[in-house]
Amino acid sequence: DIQMTQSPSTLSASVGDRVTITCRASRSISSWLAWYQQKPGKAPKLLIYQASSLESGVPSRFSGSGSETEFTLTISSLQPDDFATYYCQQYNSYPTFGGGTKVEIK
Amino acid sequence: QLQLRESGPGLVKPSETLSLTCTVSGDSLSSNNYYWAWIRQPPGKGLEWIGSIYYSGRPYYDPSLERRVTISVDTSKNQFSLNLSSMTAADTAVYYCARTLTTMVRGTRVSLYFDYWGQGILVTVSS
Repeated sequence: DIQMTQSPSTLSASVGDRVTITCRASRSISSWLAWYQQKPGKAPKLLIYQASSLESGVPSRFSGSGSETEFTLTISSLQPDDFATYYCQQYNSYPTFGGGTKVEIK
Repeated sequence: QLQLRESGPGLVKPSETLSLTCTVSGDSLSSNNYYWAWIRQPPGKGLEWIGSIYYSGRPYYDPSLERRVTISVDTSKNQFSLNLSSMTAADTAVYYCARTLTTMVRGTRVSLYFDYWGQGILVTVSS
């Protein structure tokens, strides 16, 4: 199976900061990658698919990039609603998720 | 608006079989473009895909759970179900159902990402 490794596991930031989360795949997954946001007690919400395509309704401050084995999720200017945990997921083979990155208030 | 809702017991005894149902409203389970999936999340931990099913196809499962999992679909009720046998404390988790986008690759339908999720149901394994 394909292992997904996210870093950092926790990130402390302030409103207005630019935030970058990294996801690495154990082997090439082309661009078959999605990003999700999850808030406590809620289901994950799709943000990005195909590594860089923004899901409808998701604010443009979210962006994704990368291919093959290295990917990033960037929040250009962190907003209060963005404090949450973020997961990457590959779908090159049967689905696997990264371990998550918690974005907390600094 | 598409909605998915999980239902089933919140408490299961060790060694028993968990049975959960996901009821889909606002879309047909028989749509050509989607797989339907079960995903779980142990308390305080990350997400784990369990398995997926197409309305007319064979389900496929995470290899680590395959010998204990059965996913089935009932298109007449617009529901799909999860059975997980030999439950242990390690299976305590929030269980989600989700819709999966698909695409055709060289004549084969492949599943992509999860665009709609149910609210989740907490299942605790305890005697």
